[in-house]
Amino acid sequence: DIQMTQSPSSLSASIGDRVSITCRASQSISSWLAWYQQKPGKAPKLLIYTASSLQSGVPSRFSGSGSGREFTLTISSLQPDDSATYYCQQYDSYSTFGQGTKLEIK
Amino acid sequence: QVHLVQSGAEVKKPGASVKISCKTSGYTFSSHAMHWVRQAPGQSLERMGWINTVNGNTEYSQKFQGRVTITRDTSATTVYMELSGLRSEDTAVYYCARVPLKWGFSYFDHWGQGTLVTVSS
Repeated sequence: DIQMTQSPSSLSASIGDRVSITCRASQSISSWLAWYQQKPGKAPKLLIYTASSLQSGVPSRFSGSGSGREFTLTISSLQPDDSATYYCQQYDSYSTFGQGTKLEIK
Repeated sequence: QVHLVQSGAEVKKPGASVKISCKTSGYTFSSHAMHWVRQAPGQSLERMGWINTVNGNTEYSQKFQGRVTITRDTSATTVYMELSGLRSEDTAVYYCARVPLKWGFSYFDHWGQGTLVTVSS
């Protein structure tokens, strides 16, 4: 199975900050990567697919980049509603998720 | 508007089976494969398997092979996931999740609300 490693595991940032989360795959997955946001007690919500395509209805402050083995989710200006856990998912070979990054607002 | 509505929380004893439903609406049922993903408390997400809603073909993660069965009722536009031989480690929230394809692996564009399964003696 392809392993997905996210970093950091947690971070704390202030409103208005630019925040980046990294996801590394154990082998190349081309651009077959998605990002999700999950709040406590809720299902994950799709943010980004095919590494950089913004899902309809998702605020434009979210963006994704990368290809091959390394990917980044960036929030350009952190908002209070962005407090959540973020997961990456590869779907190049079957499907596996990263371990998650918990984002807290200072 | 796409909706995936799952059945309610379950409490089961070790060794028992659980069957969870995922009722779909708002789209053409046969145009999208359906996957099942679970999340143990405080843990990440883990795929279990998926079903081709056109022909009923399934594929299961090796981890759950032999214990999981995914079926569908096309007339009811509902997908089911049954997990047998439950153990305490199966305590988790189980999600159905739709992909934007008729078959195979992709990102999950719509999710059910989740069903908590608690396995306890």
